Amino acid sequence: QSVLTQPPSVSGAPGQRVTISCTGSSSNIGAGYDVHWYQQLPGTAPKLLIYGNSNRPSGVPDRFSGSKSGTSASLAITGLQAEDEADYYCQSYDSSLSGSTVFGGGTKLTVL
Amino acid sequence: QLQLQESGPGLVKPSETLSLTCTVSGGSISSSSYYWGWIRQPPGKGLEWIGSIYYSGSTYYNPSLKSRVTISVDTSKNQFSLKLSSVTAADTAVYYCARGDILRGFDPWGQGTLVTVSS
Repeated sequence: QSVLTQPPSVSGAPGQRVTISCTGSSSNIGAGYDVHWYQQLPGTAPKLLIYGNSNRPSGVPDRFSGSKSGTSASLAITGLQAEDEADYYCQSYDSSLSGSTVFGGGTKLTVL
Repeated sequence: QLQLQESGPGLVKPSETLSLTCTVSGGSISSSSYYWGWIRQPPGKGLEWIGSIYYSGSTYYNPSLKSRVTISVDTSKNQFSLKLSSVTAADTAVYYCARGDILRGFDPWGQGTLVTVSS
């Protein structure tokens, strides 16, 4: 099991808002490490979606937003579109693992 | 813009060593601002960080793989490499290389290369 816990799946209808949680602990997210989010479309490499908890790289629509509080982080997607159907992963670092990079188990987003 | 490309054998026999190279183009691997990482994804499963290296040669490995992993960098060729020894079928995965930044995550990523461990 992953150090960071994500729900295996979420779904929503076009136009709706969905959130994906990423739950960690006091040795990773709770220790102050930044959380990054990636989108992986079917058959492609992951793409950076959110960095530093809440920042969008150039070219990422503002429909995507990130937040962090305590030992958890969240990715929100508003105005859901069919092209958002993908796997989403959170990533941070863990002091109990010598500062290792850790990923969440991933969440499959289905657009109904 | 910066691009990364993985290369290496797509089939490795059990107990042998998996070797992959990531070639960086459009930028220098010698930047002190970044590190370079390997991440893998078994078929149908999630992402697993394997390890990272700075251009200086400092390395950081996933504790669960540390005993079998070696990552090295060749600044003259703008490449970094992965060696994973004593492979088993559980090491079958798509292997990605990526540029890392502790504040900005992994970006960009290579397209990935599938390595199958089978006799």
